[in-house]
Amino acid sequence: DAGVIQSPRHEVTEMGQEVTLRCKPISGHDYLFWYRQTMMRGLELLIYFNNNVPIDDSGMPEDRFSAKMPNASFSTLKIQPSEPRDSAVYFCASTPARVDEQFFGPGTRLTVL
Amino acid sequence: AQSVTQLGSHVSVSEGALVLLRCNYSSSVPPYLFWYVQYPNQGLQLLLKYTSAATLVKGINGFEAEFKKSETSFHLTKPSAHMSDAAEYFCAAAAYSGAGSYQLTFGKGTKLSVIP
Repeated sequence: DAGVIQSPRHEVTEMGQEVTLRCKPISGHDYLFWYRQTMMRGLELLIYFNNNVPIDDSGMPEDRFSAKMPNASFSTLKIQPSEPRDSAVYFCASTPARVDEQFFGPGTRLTVL
Repeated sequence: AQSVTQLGSHVSVSEGALVLLRCNYSSSVPPYLFWYVQYPNQGLQLLLKYTSAATLVKGINGFEAEFKKSETSFHLTKPSAHMSDAAEYFCAAAAYSGAGSYQLTFGKGTKLSVIP
């Protein structure tokens, strides 16, 4: 298996632009998580899905952030409009069970100018 | 709310010395506990996990951790540090939060430096 795939690996955009991050989980994994990592706040859980359904989005910072999982093999995290404080590394992770090992993707490094 | 505390955001050890990274959790119910490692520009990968079986858990790369309920701790150790162990280490705890759901909480991370 190729592991969790994220794209793009790096994204540089200007404030106010829409940003879409993509994730392909490991086949057969029913849970998908989106995290954000910054020096100041560490690793934060934004949202997670079970069987394509959003279960807990309490970590989503504000309405500018949205996440979808249209099918078992694809998820997106969208920021619209983006702001400089959104600059961070965004990770996607998947797991076959809720409290099992999470498999992380390589992350998307987002820079908002 | 559950919390995970990692003492020391940065730990330095000499090559060949003992590695000890500390983790304490706050939970009235023993949670599931994990240690992850993150190498530069990579995602996190699992080192080891505790799921209420043996209290001493062995992981990859010679690391192990001991669950101590009385101290609510899950410290990570390795007898002899290697240069390749330089990375950031995260402790995480998953506790049941009701209605079939678990809350997974990560610590802030500890960056390990290994001095030659």
